[in-house]
This record gives sequence, C-alpha cells and structure tokens, in this order.
Amino acid sequence: DGGITQSPKYLFRKEGQNVTLSCEQNLNHDAMYWYRQDPGQGLRLIYYSQIVNDFQKGDIAEGYSVSREKKESFPLTVTSAQKNPTAFYLCASSPSGAVAKNIQYFGAGTRLSVL
Amino acid sequence: LAKTTQPISMDSYEGQEVNITCSHNNIATNDYITWYQQFPSQGPRFIIQGYKTKVTNEVASLFIPADRKSSTLSLPRVSLSDTAVYYCLVGVDYKLSFGAGTTVTVRA
Repeated sequence: DGGITQSPKYLFRKEGQNVTLSCEQNLNHDAMYWYRQDPGQGLRLIYYSQIVNDFQKGDIAEGYSVSREKKESFPLTVTSAQKNPTAFYLCASSPSGAVAKNIQYFGAGTRLSVL
Repeated sequence: LAKTTQPISMDSYEGQEVNITCSHNNIATNDYITWYQQFPSQGPRFIIQGYKTKVTNEVASLFIPADRKSSTLSLPRVSLSDTAVYYCLVGVDYKLSFGAGTTVTVRA
C-alpha cells in the first residue's frame, strides 16, 4: 500500500529534551512537508523540501530542524528551543509538477505533549 | 499567495446538499483552487481541484465563475460521515495556506 507513515502516534517530551518525529513515504514523491496544527486552528507550515538534500523554512520554523537525506524520509526534530511544542504534527508529500504539488498526501499525524 | 475567506461553520441535515463558498478576490492568473477535507485527529484529504468553470468527481463538485474571485464546493446528499473541516486553498506553490477552514456539521 502506498502512503505516508508517521511515527510514533503519540510522543511525550520532557523539559529540555529534543525529540524526533519520523515521516516515511513510498509514493515516490519529490516534495515533502511538515505542518503543525493547534486545537481548533488550521495547519501552519514548519518546513518543506522540494528535493533530496534541500529544504526551506516555512512560516514557523523556529525551534525545529529537519533533514532530507533520502527521498523517502523527512524527519522533524523538535528542539528544546521550541517552548510550546504541544500540538498535532502532520507530514505530507506531493509530486513536484506545476499544479500537482497542490495535491498533498498526508500521514495520520503525531500528537506531541510536554510532560 | 491569494488570501481566502470562507464561513467558519455550517450546519446541515442528512440527505441535503451543502454548498461552501470561498472568496479569493486577489487570485492570480496561474492560481488553481484546491479543496481539502479533514476529520478530527486525521490529516487533511484532497477532495477536488479546479481552474475555471465546473469540475466534478465522485465526491464533490467545484463551481468557479468566470471572474474566478470565488468558488463553491458542493457536497451532494451529505451523510453524518461528511462532518468535517473543509479548507479552500488558492495558489500554485509549495507554501499553501490552510486557514481555519469551514466546520461542516451534519445532523440526523
């Protein structure tokens, strides 16, 4: 089955700790994305990557880091600098064509809470 | 990116048609209009995309007038399972803007 796999489903972070959220896709998509969603709100873009070994900051990149060493994988690290990390994190991927990139495929999400 | 405005919420009953209108007055010539659906605690799901006139698929229809300053997503004969948040996005970009969306509640 093709799709986006996010893990873990739930994650707890202690004060001062860095945590990494996993995102893997087998859709052969060039572009991948990370979003944050707070309760009752829309999605906000954290980082996106158009191609392997390249990524750009989204609207709320501070306190987060990413890597794109493989086409299939786009892990997100929530660093200790992110003071309010509690949220629902969504990973997505899309083809890189002119219009096709508007059609993003999302994973099931990771819910991060602070202990 | 073009700014979009859509109603915060809408109520409907099973079997009715639901129409959600999205305003996008500063849409650019190359922009496409894309709609997503999101259920609680799940990622958004692509519903439909269009450029002008009317687009229909097995889930919904999208109506876009000639001036393209608005668009209407039409959900025919909704059921309880159509209760969700619906997002209207405008642009052709890696940086799409998911606003607050429209919460559609379908009642029995």
